[in-house]
Amino acid sequence: DAKTTQPTSMDCAEGRAANLPCNHSTISGNEYVYWYRQIHSQGPQYIIHGLKNNETNEMASLIITEDRKSSTLILPHATLRDTAVYYCIVNNYGQNFVFGPGTRLSVLP
Amino acid sequence: NAGVTQTPKFRVLKTGQSMTLLCAQDMNHEYMYWYRQDPGMGLRLIHYSVGEGTTAKGEVPDGYNVSRLKKQNFLLGLESAAPSQTSVYFCASRSVTTEQYFGPGTRLTVT
Repeated sequence: DAKTTQPTSMDCAEGRAANLPCNHSTISGNEYVYWYRQIHSQGPQYIIHGLKNNETNEMASLIITEDRKSSTLILPHATLRDTAVYYCIVNNYGQNFVFGPGTRLSVLP
Repeated sequence: NAGVTQTPKFRVLKTGQSMTLLCAQDMNHEYMYWYRQDPGMGLRLIHYSVGEGTTAKGEVPDGYNVSRLKKQNFLLGLESAAPSQTSVYFCASRSVTTEQYFGPGTRLTVT
């Protein structure tokens, strides 16, 4: 599975969009980009995933560059409850999801 | 649906003691996973299973054993606990084409 690189931490003002970047320059053609988040000490929560097209659901949008070497998770109107660690993972429906250290997002009032 | 449940939620062990963590899922998922998470770090895969009766090693399998006798249950065993196994343990499950669903975690302290 491809390795991902994310910033260690980010801040975002409440009500503004939070844009979380992820680099995955060695991604293979059949690998999806997944995003999870972990709020405090809870179990990770699935957010969204995509292959090459941009995706949107009720939680977030996922923008994948045309060359698929990077992506951005967008939380359109961040709230204090979005404060969490966000993990970007690439996987081809294989068995093993590799969780790196992620990005710690702090939403500030 | 209860989703993924873990038992117990908390446990304190003395060095050398043994215990079993239970993970149960009611979504008929084929795949199940055990991860550990140490403070300030991401999750690391201990063992996983791709179906009833099958198990495989993950990134950090030493000191742990697992069993998947029933499709809905995945057991993680510590035969002789060590302080290095103090961690939060998460179980997850998924079907072939879905994302992973995680349990609430088990906080284990080994003194």
